[in-house]
Amino acid sequence: GAVVSQHPSRVICKSGTSVKIECRSLDFQATTMFWYRQFPKQSLMLMATSNEGSKATYEQGVEKDKFLINHASLTLSTLTVTSAHPEDSSFYICSARGRDNEQFFGPGTRLTVL
Amino acid sequence: GEDVEQSLFLSVREGDSSVINCTYTDSSSTYLYWYKQEPGAGLQLLTYIFSNMDMKQDQRLTVLLNKKDKHLSLRIADTQTGDSAIYFCAESVNYGQNFVFGPGTRLSVLP
Repeated sequence: GAVVSQHPSRVICKSGTSVKIECRSLDFQATTMFWYRQFPKQSLMLMATSNEGSKATYEQGVEKDKFLINHASLTLSTLTVTSAHPEDSSFYICSARGRDNEQFFGPGTRLTVL
Repeated sequence: GEDVEQSLFLSVREGDSSVINCTYTDSSSTYLYWYKQEPGAGLQLLTYIFSNMDMKQDQRLTVLLNKKDKHLSLRIADTQTGDSAIYFCAESVNYGQNFVFGPGTRLSVLP
């Protein structure tokens, strides 16, 4: 199947700093990418849908100024957690939609905010 | 809103069958999926079933769907240590779009 990578896989940062997470589709082009957040023992929650060349669509309750999404090319979407706080600590997973509408998931990024 | 429930843990002995259960609430769910997440890896689509089917088999995997009870199960025959992972149940109305995921079931395979 298609491969989606995320970088970094783990990041620890101080409260108040911003963190950028990259999501890349390695062997296919993805006009649509998705960002999810996963809390321990809970399901993946969709945060936003990212379309190449246009603004992201955020789910209800997700602060667009807090979680900046940029989908600059057909193979790259970035999520920037701005002014991170401990409550932003979570596992962030991206996915990219390939042909036939199947979503391919990245390995996730574990963010810890001290 | 839509909800998908799963038990969080399951332990089985190597060689036994594993059955992971899932219930969902959205009666308009058209596609039901099983994803596998291994440590450090992305979610991998194992199989999916269309809502007008009640069973799908793929090698060691058997998916059963009881649409009336909104119950989905994944049976893994001859469970191996490599099957140890978290298994997510998910549903959607349109294929590959607007997933609702369950919390995942952590399957531990004991030697």
